[in-house]
Amino acid sequence: AQRVTQPEKLLSVFKGAPVELKCNYSYSGSPELFWYVQYSRQRLQLLLRHISRESIKGFTADLNKGETSFHLKKPFAQEEDSAMYYCAANFGNEKLTFGTGTRLTIIP
Amino acid sequence: KAGVTQTPRYLIKTRGQQVTLSCSPISGHRSVSWYQQTPGQGLQFLFEYFSETQRNKGNFPGRFSGRQFSNSRSEMNVSTLELGDSALYLCASSLDRTGELFFGEGSRLTVL
Repeated sequence: AQRVTQPEKLLSVFKGAPVELKCNYSYSGSPELFWYVQYSRQRLQLLLRHISRESIKGFTADLNKGETSFHLKKPFAQEEDSAMYYCAANFGNEKLTFGTGTRLTIIP
Repeated sequence: KAGVTQTPRYLIKTRGQQVTLSCSPISGHRSVSWYQQTPGQGLQFLFEYFSETQRNKGNFPGRFSGRQFSNSRSEMNVSTLELGDSALYLCASSLDRTGELFFGEGSRLTVL
């Protein structure tokens, strides 16, 4: 089945430390991959998509087809990065399938 | 540009009742998707409408239905409510079917 897995429900990282939020997908083809973020009391919003290869707010994500992963990384965490992060994929069926999310907390 | 607007924001219903939720997409967006968000399951896809046609449907029972009007506004209906239907229902719009999704604030449904 086509699936997006985020193995960590909660992740705490000290300010200034590197951050990595894991995302794996189950699909034999080439999905279109996204990271969405929800800050406290804000709407869910797009953080980045792999086809644009942009770095947003210092975050990057690389598609690893061999490991079917799309981990989100940031070299130095900031307090404002505390939020709920969702990995999502379009498996060619023109709908977004979301993972269950990871709540990231940055410890001052 | 106004964002995606969902009404009502909060509602409480009892088992067996039915509920209708409304979503007004960003002007010019023709695709509207609905998701159910719960703490344990995350976001689960309900359905997607494009130009008044349902193009995609998730794995939800027939009690969940929706429609889209000619002005792209969308409604979803849940009949014969069950306790497990308690959730945040999110609507998202996009310019086309594969573009960035813009989410509303959601309608929080509590079923007692």
